Amino acid sequence: DGGITQSPKYLFRKEGQNVTLSCEQNLNHDAMYWYRQDPGQGLRLIYYSQIVNDFQKGDIAEGYSVSREKKESFPLTVTSAQKNPTAFYLCASSLEGSRYGYTFGSGTRLTVV
Amino acid sequence: AQSVSQHNHHVILSEAASLELGCNYSYGGTVNLFWYVQYPGQHLQLLLKYFSGDPLVKGIKGFEAEFIKSKFSFNLRKPSVQWSDTAEYFCAVIPFSGGYQKVTFGTGTKLQVIP
Repeated sequence: DGGITQSPKYLFRKEGQNVTLSCEQNLNHDAMYWYRQDPGQGLRLIYYSQIVNDFQKGDIAEGYSVSREKKESFPLTVTSAQKNPTAFYLCASSLEGSRYGYTFGSGTRLTVV
Repeated sequence: AQSVSQHNHHVILSEAASLELGCNYSYGGTVNLFWYVQYPGQHLQLLLKYFSGDPLVKGIKGFEAEFIKSKFSFNLRKPSVQWSDTAEYFCAVIPFSGGYQKVTFGTGTKLQVIP
């Protein structure tokens, strides 16, 4: 079945460490996105990529980095510069543009200890 | 830039009660509208969407939403909720225009259905 796979489901990180969240899709979607979900704040866009080797900052990109070397993969690195990294991270993909809606992954819950 | 407001943050209903969740957006042009649902421990799923045509759209699991352009609203409804509808519901909007446009999500409404 086509879909988006995010791994791991739960991740613990010590303060000061970088950590990379994986996102893989086999939907042949061009665009991929990373959102952060916090209680009461909805979904906030971190980064997005419309094509391979190109990505753009979203609303809250500070302290995060991404790469898009393959169409299927869009990993997110949470760096030590991110002041409040504990959150639920969602990856999504869509056909050209996003006006037709997203397909979401199951998310990664990151906890900084 | 567009914005989305979901005024009800937490709704508690008994089974068989009727549901209406509010969603208002601000944007002057044509938009596509979505409702997503996130069941406990699961990923967001598309519940229904509106692109054009009949402003009353039907989605999965008996949900429907009505687009009222004059009110900039896209409220979600269900005549009779079930315990399994307990979830968080997100409204989303995207301008329908050329080039890349950003999807904007509301802050979500948590629905708790009591058996």
